[in-house]
Amino acid sequence: NAGVTQTPKFRVLKTGQSMTLLCAQDMNHEYMYWYRQDPGMGLRLIHYSVGEGTTAKGEVPDGYNVSRLKKQNFLLGLESAAPSQTSVYFCASSYLPLQGNLYNEQFFGPGTRLTVL
Amino acid sequence: SQQGEEDPQALSIQEGENATMNCSYKTSINNLQWYRQNSGRGLVHLILIRSNEREKHSGRLRVTLDTSKKSSSLLITASRAADTASYFCATVIQGAQKLVFGQGTRLTINP
Repeated sequence: NAGVTQTPKFRVLKTGQSMTLLCAQDMNHEYMYWYRQDPGMGLRLIHYSVGEGTTAKGEVPDGYNVSRLKKQNFLLGLESAAPSQTSVYFCASSYLPLQGNLYNEQFFGPGTRLTVL
Repeated sequence: SQQGEEDPQALSIQEGENATMNCSYKTSINNLQWYRQNSGRGLVHLILIRSNEREKHSGRLRVTLDTSKKSSSLLITASRAADTASYFCATVIQGAQKLVFGQGTRLTINP
């Protein structure tokens, strides 16, 4: 099993350009998450999904859109990139919901390093 | 502001010594988790402690949770060079379907 994979690994954009980050998991997980990681800020949740066809906003959703058309894929889109979106983006998935479960770890992908000039 | 805050922000010790990292949080939680991140990599889950538990062990890891003080600690015993990484605590806030991460502790084990 590949676990959680992310493409691309690196990307440089100019301000105003658009792009889509792809996350794929082969563990049949219902729950998927997109985070961004900035120096000294830890990880912040952008959007998440509790199942195919559903998405919800996290802590920092502005400037991003997501889609979950297939259970195994979770796409993160930047419609008009801004320098403030320069970050490392992590996708994660989990089998169980976070609430009320004994063991509900999240599995993380390797990350996408995005630079917006 | 972040739900979880780790202390210290950076820790450097000699191989074989024990490393202790602390995490404080603000609101009631369902459970608290610790993750490790090696440089340039994704996060790896280490251990989870539920809100009704006070202590858990996993190999060389020991986690404590004090809900009255809203704090947790992660102890790594007999540290190894391979333990060099950043360590994050993450909390599941009651009623919310999301993990909230702290800023992390950067641990360096010197040979």
